[in-house]
Amino acid sequence: SAVISQKPSRDICQRGTSLTIQCQVDSQVTMMFWYRQQPGQSLTLIATANQGSEATYESGFVIDKFPISRPNLTFSTLTVSNMSPEDSSIYLCSAGGGRAHEQYFGPGTRLTVT
Amino acid sequence: GENVEQHPSTLSVQEGDSAVIKCTYSDSASNYFPWYKQELGKGPQLIIDIRSNVGEKKDQRIAVTLNKTAKHFSLHITETQPEDSAVYFCAASTGGGADGLTFGKGTHLIIQP
Repeated sequence: SAVISQKPSRDICQRGTSLTIQCQVDSQVTMMFWYRQQPGQSLTLIATANQGSEATYESGFVIDKFPISRPNLTFSTLTVSNMSPEDSSIYLCSAGGGRAHEQYFGPGTRLTVT
Repeated sequence: GENVEQHPSTLSVQEGDSAVIKCTYSDSASNYFPWYKQELGKGPQLIIDIRSNVGEKKDQRIAVTLNKTAKHFSLHITETQPEDSAVYFCAASTGGGADGLTFGKGTHLIIQP
């Protein structure tokens, strides 16, 4: 299994600002994914990040709001731009891909926007 | 797109009894069905998964069954212990490993001592 770390673990931000969340995997992986989880709720896929190509966004999520980088096979970032209180959530990255299909999750970044 | 329904939302069982959580999915193309356990303040932990070419899979006290015809799959936990208390999520995915997961709404499992 892959071990995934995220930075920061939590942050409190003011509306209108941006926050970049980092995700580091301890091994090379094909795909990385970003999810959002409202407190006490389920997980919703934001986008899929493949190394060397543009991220693929799910319905309701756009690149201008959630730009993603995937510079190599072990690292990805998600930026939450021009934040509003509605962006307060837990943001999780996962790593997986290939025939195994398995996805392993990081510990999450708890974001509060005031 | 895929839709995953999960029941019950809360399940309370006596320690030592069995717990069953059920999920249904809508997309017949889904071929991978993982289960995650999430403890408070932590990320989801993969506990077991099943692929569409298998009807049942077991790992110690945990088992998962899949009925592709009915499009439902279930998680079975036997001999429950206090440390099994957590929120459990089922998920479904289509295609290969390049696809993200669609999650159910989660089940809060409470193990009563």
